[in-house]
Amino acid sequence: DTGVSQDPRHKITKRGQNVTFRCDPISEHNRLYWYRQTLGQGPEFLTYFQNEAQLEKSRLLSDRFSAERPKGSFSTLEIQRTEQGDSAMYLCASSLVHLVAPGELFFGEGSRLTVL
Amino acid sequence: KQEVTQIPAALSVPEGENLVLNCSFTDSAIYNLQWFRQDPGKGLTSLLLIQSSQREQTSGRLNASLDKSSGRSTLYIAASQPGDSATYLCAVRDMRFGAGTRLTVKP
Repeated sequence: DTGVSQDPRHKITKRGQNVTFRCDPISEHNRLYWYRQTLGQGPEFLTYFQNEAQLEKSRLLSDRFSAERPKGSFSTLEIQRTEQGDSAMYLCASSLVHLVAPGELFFGEGSRLTVL
Repeated sequence: KQEVTQIPAALSVPEGENLVLNCSFTDSAIYNLQWFRQDPGKGLTSLLLIQSSQREQTSGRLNASLDKSSGRSTLYIAASQPGDSATYLCAVRDMRFGAGTRLTVKP
């Protein structure tokens, strides 16, 4: 395991369809983050997990978005009833938290979503 | 709520110049600050991580400093090269990002 992997890398869907992205973090990392990034902007925080517990969700995360990390390893991000405004790059990152201090953050290559 | 600002938004320099990128944040209660590089259409690559107890970190031609009391960090790039062209982003606890500085180094 050499890094964070995300699947699929690209997804084109029609408005109203559901999509799911998967993230496999670095194996020993206990914290996992999801971000969304649109052109010319920095990554926008969506949610993060410590092991299997979802500790924080952005207020920007509508109820159409749900994330899970069922066994504290890989995570999925599902978007239901997609809208054109959901078109973005979805980035996953992981880190190893020691006590309370978050360690260095490592990113995957992202999953690009296009909603037609 | 933590706000992270990066100035300038874009920077174009000739090859060989030394340059400074700035990152400011509103909440000084940070665990650490991390600088990243992002190439177009790609994920983020970690450059430097500064713990809150540290003042600076160095890696090759890169030097990052941290001043928690003033809520500022700078990334210094020495002897810039065309391959340094990318967007540079900073992130603070809990990994909130600025919008980045888009750097172009002209041959």
